[in-house]
Amino acid sequence: NAGVTQTPKFRVLKTGQSMTLLCAQDMNHEYMYWYRQDPGMGLRLIHYSVGEGTTAKGEVPDGYNVSRLKKQNFLLGLESAAPSQTSVYFCASSALQSGSNQPQHFGDGTRLSIL
Amino acid sequence: AQKVTQAQTEISVVEKEDVTLDCVYETRDTTYYLFWYKQPPSGELVFLIRRNSFDEQNEISGRYSWNFQKSTSSFNFTITASQVVDSAVYFCALSEELNTGNQFYFGTGTSLTVIP
Repeated sequence: NAGVTQTPKFRVLKTGQSMTLLCAQDMNHEYMYWYRQDPGMGLRLIHYSVGEGTTAKGEVPDGYNVSRLKKQNFLLGLESAAPSQTSVYFCASSALQSGSNQPQHFGDGTRLSIL
Repeated sequence: AQKVTQAQTEISVVEKEDVTLDCVYETRDTTYYLFWYKQPPSGELVFLIRRNSFDEQNEISGRYSWNFQKSTSSFNFTITASQVVDSAVYFCALSEELNTGNQFYFGTGTSLTVIP
């Protein structure tokens, strides 16, 4: 059972380059999320999605775009990478259950360095 | 304002000691959920426990126990007889019933080192 899978696991980019991080979940979850983790700052929500075809901004959305064309996939794009976007990125998903907020399940992370 | 505060940035204990990780939260909702996650050195985030705001019973799972106190808005995590494998960063998180999409607010984490 794969759960939440992120690709790639590592990537080095030059300033100004673009790239897309892919997140796939096989648990049929409605909700998906992208976070970044920086030292001393915990996990900060970039964007999230409450269902196929819908996305919304989180706490730190600037410089990122997302798409959820299929329920199982959630893509995070960097159009013009900046050194400030050097971070570890986590994707997560959770089930929709009315009246009971469920745990989020996380991928293993993508370590991204922008030079 | 920070919704979840983990004031302890780093803690070191000697193996077999007990250790408590503090978590203080802030919310105006009457229904909310609290979570703890573990992030070992390998980097993945592992779900440990979920507690809803109507259930104030303490919970024990092996060497782990959780103390939820609404009066002090705290959800503390105790590891009894710590082991080297407990070395990790631990995150506390809050999810409010009325927020859209089950968004979590994470604390900044407590890094626990268990010294053999």
